Amino acid sequence: GQQLNQSPQSMFIQEGEDVSMNCTSSSIFNTWLWYKQDPGEGPVLLIALYKAGELTSNGRLTAQFGITRKDSFLNISASIPSDVGIYFCAGQLGYGGSQGNLIFGKGTKLSVKP
Amino acid sequence: ETGVTQSPTHLIKTRGQQVTLRCSSQSGHNTVSWYQQALGQGPQFIFQYYREEENGRGNFPPRFSGLQFPNYSSELNVNALELDDSALYLCASSLSGIYQETQYFGPGTRLLVL
Repeated sequence: GQQLNQSPQSMFIQEGEDVSMNCTSSSIFNTWLWYKQDPGEGPVLLIALYKAGELTSNGRLTAQFGITRKDSFLNISASIPSDVGIYFCAGQLGYGGSQGNLIFGKGTKLSVKP
Repeated sequence: ETGVTQSPTHLIKTRGQQVTLRCSSQSGHNTVSWYQQALGQGPQFIFQYYREEENGRGNFPPRFSGLQFPNYSSELNVNALELDDSALYLCASSLSGIYQETQYFGPGTRLLVL
């Protein structure tokens, strides 16, 4: 089936650092989304991207929809302790039915540097 | 909070049993999608319900079935449970018209099969 390659798998952050993660795919997506999931909870939508080349911000978070429609990145600026968690990228091939389902990456786990 | 609720929060079953999980969609949403999330993985699409009918299905066997009710709430049923069915089951609601809009997730039901 479809797969998204999300990297890095994990990273350690120190408060105040900037963080970057990205997703690539062999398929073209119509929509890219970024979710954050905390332990024991469902994914929470952070940013949704609908057009190739689109750059969208949500507070300290910035995400871009790649020009080729096969990749996306998420940046977090000036990280704070509550940023720890697992970040997922998700792509959507179309707009309904089996095309409207989300295809997820395996996640990037953000932890605090000891 | 997304307004999507799921019940129960946790469940323990034995192999071969059947289970029913429930999801109430966010007010104003008419589409429910179900996902299975194994430990350490991203969510995998099971199926989607729109206007009380299945509207797309992922790579899951027929023992995974569902229903959507007139109030747009939904059930996921799994028959003949297997050990590998142990996972977090997420439902996501969205509004579908010409296009399917962004999916918002509930907190999930954690199923353990012994």
